[in-house]
Amino acid sequence: QVQLQQSGPGLVKPSQTLSLTCAISGDSVSSNSAAWNWLRQSPSRGLEWLGRTYYRSKWYGDYAVSMKGRITINPDTSKNQFSLQLSSVTPEDTAVYYCARSGPPYYDYYYMDVWGKGTTVTVSS
Amino acid sequence: QSALTQPRSVSGSPGQSVTISCTGTSSDVGGYNYVSWYQHHPDKAPKLMIYDVSKRPSGVPDRFSGSKSGNTASLTISGLQAEDEADYYCCSYAGRIYVFGTGTKVTVL
Repeated sequence: QVQLQQSGPGLVKPSQTLSLTCAISGDSVSSNSAAWNWLRQSPSRGLEWLGRTYYRSKWYGDYAVSMKGRITINPDTSKNQFSLQLSSVTPEDTAVYYCARSGPPYYDYYYMDVWGKGTTVTVSS
Repeated sequence: QSALTQPRSVSGSPGQSVTISCTGTSSDVGGYNYVSWYQHHPDKAPKLMIYDVSKRPSGVPDRFSGSKSGNTASLTISGLQAEDEADYYCCSYAGRIYVFGTGTKVTVL
């Protein structure tokens, strides 16, 4: 059974970088048949996909247009986990952040079937 | 990429049916048969209810069904039950990115 365990601070100051980690059990971050996503949910914006990383002979990252320039999603194969870094945060980045598994491109698996429990992140001074 | 359009809320009595629409464009909903639906209860992780427009994951009741016509996808909940009260989000693959809907609150009267 695949499980995702999230960790990271719940409070970040404006202009700083938000960093979260998602540890994977029951699957591999390097799997050729999975992609590893970050999403967030807030009352004002609903559920929003932020980006993903996946491995197909090399590492790839795809990001939401609204996040480009501020977001990085990196794998950590030594710890079987992946991370989210969101820079220059503002109070509008306050949300519950989720990690989730989907499929990589061309794998006919375009949905999020396993989710982490969520991390509430507040951006405030 | 703009969010997919969903009604803000729908409601029904126990046993009734409700349908939630999800309208996008030819670049997302209309261009791919990769629409999924997620149920979200407060303080819980979203749960996959429908994938590939109309397929149900194991364990999801057959009261939940999905369909698509053109740029609009729909989720129907038949035989509404109290535990179905939640927020529902549609999602479409759009070529290397995912686009979510604005979300619909389902209220069981």
